[in-house]
Amino acid sequence: DSGVTQTPKHLITATGQRVTLRCSPRSGDLSVYWYQQSLDQGLQFLIQYYNGEERAKGNILERFSAQQFPDLHSELNLSSLELGDSALYFCASSATGTLISGANVLTFGAGSRLTVL
Amino acid sequence: QQPVQSPQAVILREGEDAVINCSSSKALYSVHWYRQKHGEAPVFLMILLKGGEQKGHDKISASFNEKKQQSSLYLTASQLSYSGTYFCGTGINNDMRFGAGTRLTVKP
Repeated sequence: DSGVTQTPKHLITATGQRVTLRCSPRSGDLSVYWYQQSLDQGLQFLIQYYNGEERAKGNILERFSAQQFPDLHSELNLSSLELGDSALYFCASSATGTLISGANVLTFGAGSRLTVL
Repeated sequence: QQPVQSPQAVILREGEDAVINCSSSKALYSVHWYRQKHGEAPVFLMILLKGGEQKGHDKISASFNEKKQQSSLYLTASQLSYSGTYFCGTGINNDMRFGAGTRLTVKP
């Protein structure tokens, strides 16, 4: 158990629908990162939050949005789902938002597998 | 911008060595290495912070050439447990961008 909790583990839905993925960071970590991993592909950075504020944005579609709440958990909202959105969505957390420091590495959750039919 | 990893895939026999390379077109301040086993989450291996710094973890070590904006991961005397996909990540500003990954398969 990495200490990063993601729910749900699996989700099957239809095109056009909307889903919310949830992430609770490791205790003490202030920063949350979201990544998308399509089948046998790399990790595509979506977005990062630090202590409730958006810090960095990657290849996140306009149909997707995220936020980090005061208790530091984060939610990734995916709307108007398409078949191509089927993927494993990982959340990772770090102590602070600065990854150029030796004290900060990413701890990943087990992921949420989204299947869009 | 994502770092570039090579090779894309490697197949080894137990006991053989491998090198995985990671390069960036932007200045690197740190390089992270992670391993992802099939069906699991990526797990942190090591971080390199300074040019020329080398770190080791059992028989897995890494180097960081800041000038060339490159890092290499060295797997020595590979074991079956080394199988997985290895990702390098570059921490530019506050986010972490990963390379496409190198799939390593170690066979008995």
